[in-house]
Amino acid sequence: QKEVEQNSGPLSVPEGAIASLNCTYSDRGSQSFFWYRQYSGKSPELIMSIYSNGDKEDGRFTAQLNKASQYVSLLIRDSQPSDSATYLCAVNPISSNTGKLIFGQGTTLQVKP
Amino acid sequence: EPEVTQTPSHQVTQMGQEVILRCVPISNHLYFYWYRQILGQKVEFLVSFYNNEISEKSEIFDDQFSVERPDGSNFTLKIRSTKLEDSAMYFCASRATGFRNSPLHFGNGTRLTVT
Repeated sequence: QKEVEQNSGPLSVPEGAIASLNCTYSDRGSQSFFWYRQYSGKSPELIMSIYSNGDKEDGRFTAQLNKASQYVSLLIRDSQPSDSATYLCAVNPISSNTGKLIFGQGTTLQVKP
Repeated sequence: EPEVTQTPSHQVTQMGQEVILRCVPISNHLYFYWYRQILGQKVEFLVSFYNNEISEKSEIFDDQFSVERPDGSNFTLKIRSTKLEDSAMYFCASRATGFRNSPLHFGNGTRLTVT
């Protein structure tokens, strides 16, 4: 079983729509979850972190966490063409005490004008 | 805003040669990491480093790899005898604290091409 799973996409949404990106993880004890954005050929860039069940909002971005279902999601409201990128879900597994992150494959988002 | 700096941005080397990838983490950060990303694949953990020693390494990080913090600012990844399959983007990352909530900050990466 993969540690962090994401649908690779591409997910295509029209400009102005809500994009919904999903992620599941296998380590039930994981406590810290991160969303990174990666443009082609570039490094991962932190968008949001979430640690508690529920929603966390930051501007156009909302992260949602459900630890019972081992599920994390990222909603992007009012999607813009500049949001077109690969979105990486990353988890800090309970099995590691070094702060390493395990990344999913990433979901490619295409926002069409 | 402080950032992680990596050099060179692109390194081309012949199979069997040694390469050293360099990183300058954010100055007050204490935890350092190397990741790699083969083209089209996911970002993979290689090694974590704290208090001048390796704290965790993955199966990928075999005897051909080593890390060092030779002074107060640089953090290096050495590949002793490169193979074709070492071709990838290598990212250095650093983190301020040991708290699980502390995010990793990534450098711009070094693209390693082994011919």
